[in-house]
Amino acid sequence: AQTVTQSQPEMSVQEAETVTLSCTYDTSESDYYLFWYKQPPSRQMILVIRQEAYKQQNATENRFSVNFQKAAKSFSLKISDSQLGDAAMYFCAYRSGTGNQFYFGTGTSLTVIP
Amino acid sequence: DAGVTQSPTHLIKTRGQQVTLRCSPKSGHDTVSWYQQALGQGPQFIFQYYEEEERQRGNFPDRFSGHQFPNYSSELNVNALLLGDSALYLCASREGSTNTEAFFGQGTRLTVV
Repeated sequence: AQTVTQSQPEMSVQEAETVTLSCTYDTSESDYYLFWYKQPPSRQMILVIRQEAYKQQNATENRFSVNFQKAAKSFSLKISDSQLGDAAMYFCAYRSGTGNQFYFGTGTSLTVIP
Repeated sequence: DAGVTQSPTHLIKTRGQQVTLRCSPKSGHDTVSWYQQALGQGPQFIFQYYEEEERQRGNFPDRFSGHQFPNYSSELNVNALLLGDSALYLCASREGSTNTEAFFGQGTRLTVV
């Protein structure tokens, strides 16, 4: 079974600084997708960024970018110019290219310090 | 577009009771998945419905059942509630079986006492 590991239960960053959240995963599949979701206190999971495993280029969405290391099965999220609104739980997730379910990590709670 | 809507937002049930949670998918979406998120954990997949049938199921007992209606809305039913069923229940919808983005609702917080 696929597993997703987030080894940082909590992280903090100064406003306007950069922070990197770590994620590793385990799979024997070659076709899959990786995601970072943000869950603020409102509880709704919001997609931050998505990476297709077949793409070598790292995904980028404005201030958010990933470092996808397929051989190492690592998928970290970099948040640049951190803002107060970035404070939330961040979940790394895996989905098979042929399946429907997401496998989530245990999350990283990000605090942004003014 | 209202996105994915879930009801109720909170509820409290007694151990042994039954509960029904509801989900209306985002407009244009026909596939609905349910997840259980225990406190301090990531969401765990319960099952997925497409074309009114359960298509895939996670590692949850038969006490957890569901239904999808012709308008694509869905219900999650849990029988014989246990204290351990206390969690946030999230619904996610997407369009068919294509690799489109899944959208999540705000969840239903279930507390079993």
